[in-house]
Amino acid sequence: DAGVIQSPRHEVTEMGQEVTLRCKPISGHDYLFWYRQTMMRGLELLIYFNNNVPIDDSGMPEDRFSAKMPNASFSTLKIQPSEPRDSAVYFCTQGDYTFGSGTRLTVV
Amino acid sequence: AQSVTQPDIHITVSEGASLELRCNYSYGATPYLFWYVQSPGQGLQLLLKYFSGDTLVQGIKGFEAEFKRSQSSFNLRKPSVHWSDAAEYFCAVGAPSYDKVIFGPGTSLSVIP
Repeated sequence: DAGVIQSPRHEVTEMGQEVTLRCKPISGHDYLFWYRQTMMRGLELLIYFNNNVPIDDSGMPEDRFSAKMPNASFSTLKIQPSEPRDSAVYFCTQGDYTFGSGTRLTVV
Repeated sequence: AQSVTQPDIHITVSEGASLELRCNYSYGATPYLFWYVQSPGQGLQLLLKYFSGDTLVQGIKGFEAEFKRSQSSFNLRKPSVHWSDAAEYFCAVGAPSYDKVIFGPGTSLSVIP
């Protein structure tokens, strides 16, 4: 079973709009990771946190992307403004190495 | 930094035949190694993982993988493939400190009835 709950499952938005993806960890691990999956680039690590502190955000593609983890039970990935090339499946996962179904984002 | 290569982009096997998916990694020490499977439109399911100890690892769905340090490889095997095994398979490498996990490009498996 996945150690996280992601919402929404699907998101369709118009170019230029702000998008917020949510992740609720339930496994209680110290680490939390955000990944993006596209056909062209495969699975990319965007950012990860340790004890709610961002450790490595070198995978975040642009300043339009930001992520926060205000507490051990919640994390967000925000895209502002969104662009069609941001269309992808976004996964968050904890240190138990299990993945949920992700959020499928479509920017039109 | 870690990296993973999966030399085969796509593999086709007949149902009932044996399967081996190749994975090579680059890491300065003994890594954590993983195999995941993903069906279309689904998330990633962890098949098996290697942290230490016995280099032959048993996973779910009848899969196994063998860690070979000298070859920097972690190949996935299954003695008899079922049609339901058709999916995308990802090898991944991580550091023992729960550091970031890096994924390979994936191998797409097709199964001929």
